This record gives sequence, structure tokens and C-alpha cells, in this order.
Amino acid sequence: QSALTQPASVSGSPGQSITISCTGTSSDVGGYNYVSWYQQHPGKAPKLMIYDVSNRPSGVSNRFSGSKSGNTASLTISGLQAEDEADYYCSSYTSSSTQVFGTGTKVTVL
Amino acid sequence: EVQLVESGGGLVQPGGSLRLSCAASGFTFSSYWMSWVRQAPGKGLEWVANIKQDGSEKYYVDSVKGRFTISRDNAKNSLYLQMNSLRAEDTAVYYCARIWFGAYFDYWGQGTLVTVSS
Repeated sequence: QSALTQPASVSGSPGQSITISCTGTSSDVGGYNYVSWYQQHPGKAPKLMIYDVSNRPSGVSNRFSGSKSGNTASLTISGLQAEDEADYYCSSYTSSSTQVFGTGTKVTVL
Repeated sequence: EVQLVESGGGLVQPGGSLRLSCAASGFTFSSYWMSWVRQAPGKGLEWVANIKQDGSEKYYVDSVKGRFTISRDNAKNSLYLQMNSLRAEDTAVYYCARIWFGAYFDYWGQGTLVTVSS
């Protein structure tokens, strides 16, 4: 049950696009299309941004998109805005019928 | 509107016990898997436990197996986490979350803080 690997930090200027990676194994990310992404602002509960690799819940901006290749999933934020500054976590279903989160990425808007 | 409200957190000594509760409303509680997720101060999210709709299946992260028990009362629309033999490393904000058939956490509570310290 090792955490999925994410970069500790990613930054970009307003209007730019950034991508956050999430690397696991064939027992989690690579084995299932059950990767999800969460945004968390300081002191707040996490918010679902992407589910099942690339689907957006109702109300989430289409500036957020997800994809997966092999054991690595990615979250892309296009047209970066100040309000996107937050921590982001990926999560995956695993072969043990459990869940595992990523290590988390702090996004900074320059 | 889906609402999840946790309660029961607080300060407890190492080796002690605590029971967290989560009151659910705004959806048919008995139709969903439910989860507990925690976050240590300044750290990332850690999945803790899942429970199936009827309570017949339960899954735990290795670090809490044998110490924590997840349960639910569908008649009361409530989720619980019984935490025994608590350790300093269990100190965290504990979130109750609805999990969509084991795939993703679509709704979260506001969290309750558990501090294990002497």
C-alpha cells in the first residue's frame, strides 16, 4: 500500500497550462480506469475534480482534464487561474479492493 | 444536498480509544459504500477504511488493521470508526467520505481532529 508518486510542487503563470503526474503500478493506476483527482485548499476538505481517469463532475471547470498512460495518470490545468492554487491529490482503486492516494502536489500560481 | 458531518474527535492519550461518527443526509445512505480518510497535520491524504452498503465487506489500510473498526447503521444514516490502541501517528483530521462503488470519493465531510498525545 505505497502511496502513488506525485511531484511535490508545480508552478505556472496565469493563463498557462500545467500538468501533474501520478505514478503507480500495474496493481493500481495501470490496472484500472479508477483514477481520481482532488483539489484541496488550506483548511478545507478535498474536492473531487476528475473521476474514472478523465471524467469531470458537474460544476468542475473544463479547464481541468485527466488522462492515463500505462502506470502514470496525469491532471492538466489549462488557463491557470489564481483560484487554482491549492494542493492536488490523485487516488486509485487497487487490486486489494482498497484505495491509495498520491503524495500530493502543491500548485503555485506565479 | 448531500451532507456529511463528522463528530467525536478530541484529545486522547496513547493507548486510548475514541469513536468517530459521521451523520449523513441528502442521499440514500444505505445505497453507497462509505469511507474514512485521514490527513496528519501538514501531510497528505491517507485512505483508512471502506465499508460496503450492508456492512458485509470492510477494508482497512495495513497500519490500522486490528486496531480500528469501521461500521455503519443504515437506520440512523450513520457511519462510525472505532479507534483502539491509538498511537501518536494516528493524530490527524479524519474525514468521512462517500465512495462511488469503490472507485472515487464524491462527497466529503468537513473533518474532525483526533490528537493522540500524553
